[in-house]
Amino acid sequence: SQKIEQNSEALNIQEGKTATLTCNYTNYSPAYLQWYRQDPGRGPVFLLLIRENEKEKRKERLKVTFDTTLKQSLFHITASQPADSATYLCALDPDKLIFGTGTRLQVFP
Amino acid sequence: DTAVSQTPKYLVTQMGNDKSIKCEQNLGHDTMYWYKQDSKKFLKIMFSYNNKELIINETVPNRFSPKSPDKAHLNLHINSLELGDSAVYFCASSTIGGTEAFFGQGTRLTVV
Repeated sequence: SQKIEQNSEALNIQEGKTATLTCNYTNYSPAYLQWYRQDPGRGPVFLLLIRENEKEKRKERLKVTFDTTLKQSLFHITASQPADSATYLCALDPDKLIFGTGTRLQVFP
Repeated sequence: DTAVSQTPKYLVTQMGNDKSIKCEQNLGHDTMYWYKQDSKKFLKIMFSYNNKELIINETVPNRFSPKSPDKAHLNLHINSLELGDSAVYFCASSTIGGTEAFFGQGTRLTVV
């Protein structure tokens, strides 16, 4: 069956460190993969999209990698700040936009 | 200007009632979605519409009926509400073939 798993339900790190979140999928062949941020009481907000022919994508302090052989995407936040604390979701499948289980990131001062 | 707006934001109702949630987007998108987010925060797709036509119906009970009067609106009607329907419901929209999706602020439905 098709699955999208984010293997950490929660991740706690200290301010200034790099946060690395993982998204693994099975039985999909996505043309691209997306990452979203969700704050409590709000809807998800799009952050980055990476295509299958791209190995890496950057946006300010965010970096996403996409390995279609490993069926995995890594999402990095460098120089993390308490304001980065939120739940981060990966998503794929352009027709259905299926989301992963999410990772709740907490950045401590 | 709000891109995707849902009403109401909160909805408390008794079991057995029928209720509706409205969604409107002003982005000119062709595709709209309804998602359910349960207490464990898992975001599960319910329906996808493309230009007013149903594309995806993800094994949702037939008590849930989406209605799209035009491509800017996708409303969700729920009949005979059950306790297990309590969740946050999100509307979203995107262009055809879905790249970036825009979400509404959510409707927290509580069935008592």
